[in-house]
Amino acid sequence: GAVVSQHPSRVICKSGTSVKIECRSLDFQATTMFWYRQFPKKSLMLMATSNEGSKATYEQGVEKDKFLINHASLTLSTLTVTSAHPEDSSFYICSARVSSGGTSGANVLTFGAGSRLTVL
Amino acid sequence: QKEVEQDPGPLSVPEGAIVSLNCTYSNSAFQYFMWYRQYSRKGPELLMYTYSSGNKEDGRFTAQVDKSSKYISLFIRDSQPSDSATYLCAMKASGTYKYIFGTGTRLKVLA
Repeated sequence: GAVVSQHPSRVICKSGTSVKIECRSLDFQATTMFWYRQFPKKSLMLMATSNEGSKATYEQGVEKDKFLINHASLTLSTLTVTSAHPEDSSFYICSARVSSGGTSGANVLTFGAGSRLTVL
Repeated sequence: QKEVEQDPGPLSVPEGAIVSLNCTYSNSAFQYFMWYRQYSRKGPELLMYTYSSGNKEDGRFTAQVDKSSKYISLFIRDSQPSDSATYLCAMKASGTYKYIFGTGTRLKVLA
């Protein structure tokens, strides 16, 4: 089945530094990937939609200069948290759409394992 | 009102019990319904996918969609301690890429 690989799984950094998280589709091409942020006991919050070869589409309230997204190839999207602060500490998860295979033609989301960011 | 409501739990059941997990929603345009399982500190994994109304069964799991009531369910038969996880419902309308997630229900199956 479709596999999305996300790296690193955990990262601890100092306040003010930048952190890059990678998301790769291992056995399929993903023209679109999604970046989510997950807070404890809260829904997955869509941050942005990453489009291969073009600019990402950010959700309302998400700072595009803070969360830089690059989708340079059909198998790789990156999220860079710039000048990280303790309030950026969270669980970040990427996903890609994969065909459900059914007659409805819908796509389902396949997720990476997530990246736990802790900013000291 | 949230678009998707899901009881966060935790829900504790003994091993072997039948578990019922539910979500309600307000957007009648939702056509695609999914259930994901998420273990602690991991990404969600797809369990079940249903298009429009009806039931779908896969092993010990059954997904039900009642569009008239705007209510979806996931049943787990013969629950096992390894089923202990957070279960997220997700749904979307046709023609949109946006998936709306519930908050997740934390399930504990006690041995």
